[in-house]
Amino acid sequence: EPEVTQTPSHQVTQMGQEVILRCVPISNHLYFYWYRQILGQKVEFLVSFYNNEISEKSEIFDDQFSVERPDGSNFTLKIRSTKLEDSAMYFCASSEQGQGGSPLHFGNGTRLTVT
Amino acid sequence: AQSVSQHNHHVILSEAASLELGCNYSYGGTVNLFWYVQYPGQHLQLLLKYFSGDPLVKGIKGFEAEFIKSKFSFNLRKPSVQWSDTAEYFCAVTLRGGYQKVTFGTGTKLQVIP
Repeated sequence: EPEVTQTPSHQVTQMGQEVILRCVPISNHLYFYWYRQILGQKVEFLVSFYNNEISEKSEIFDDQFSVERPDGSNFTLKIRSTKLEDSAMYFCASSEQGQGGSPLHFGNGTRLTVT
Repeated sequence: AQSVSQHNHHVILSEAASLELGCNYSYGGTVNLFWYVQYPGQHLQLLLKYFSGDPLVKGIKGFEAEFIKSKFSFNLRKPSVQWSDTAEYFCAVTLRGGYQKVTFGTGTKLQVIP
């Protein structure tokens, strides 16, 4: 079964540094998402992306965050200047459809630790 | 505001016991409902979904859930749990249509004792 893949599985960075989290969505999916889960808290929506632009973003997704689909397969999340509170598990997801709904397929996640 | 509530944060059961995990939502529109499972060290996986039709939906591994519109609930059930069901279970809701911003509940950790 096709899977969403994320790299790296664990990233440690110092406060103020830039990080890029990488994702390869399922190839025939058109909608891409980033979610995050701070330890002990719920999974939170960050951003959705369709047709090479952001379709929706949450309050969490401020100017420090950006997403990009640099080629036909990768979908990246960049955090420009990391803060301690950015430490979390970041999940990439993709789906076939947005309108009308189809389930999200999640990657294994990238654990980001900001020190 | 849209919200999803899971009332049980940590459930401990013996093998063969029956399971019911509660999920209530507060949404101002027609919804799609999901249960996701996260096994230790693994990614979130879809367990089952409800879009429309029969409100009793069956998922993988013997799980089922019932959508009760009048109660805004979508409880997850399994008649007889196994040790391999030990995982965290997340109820999730989206508005039908739109770009599928998914709102998750806080999750329920299920521990099954052999």
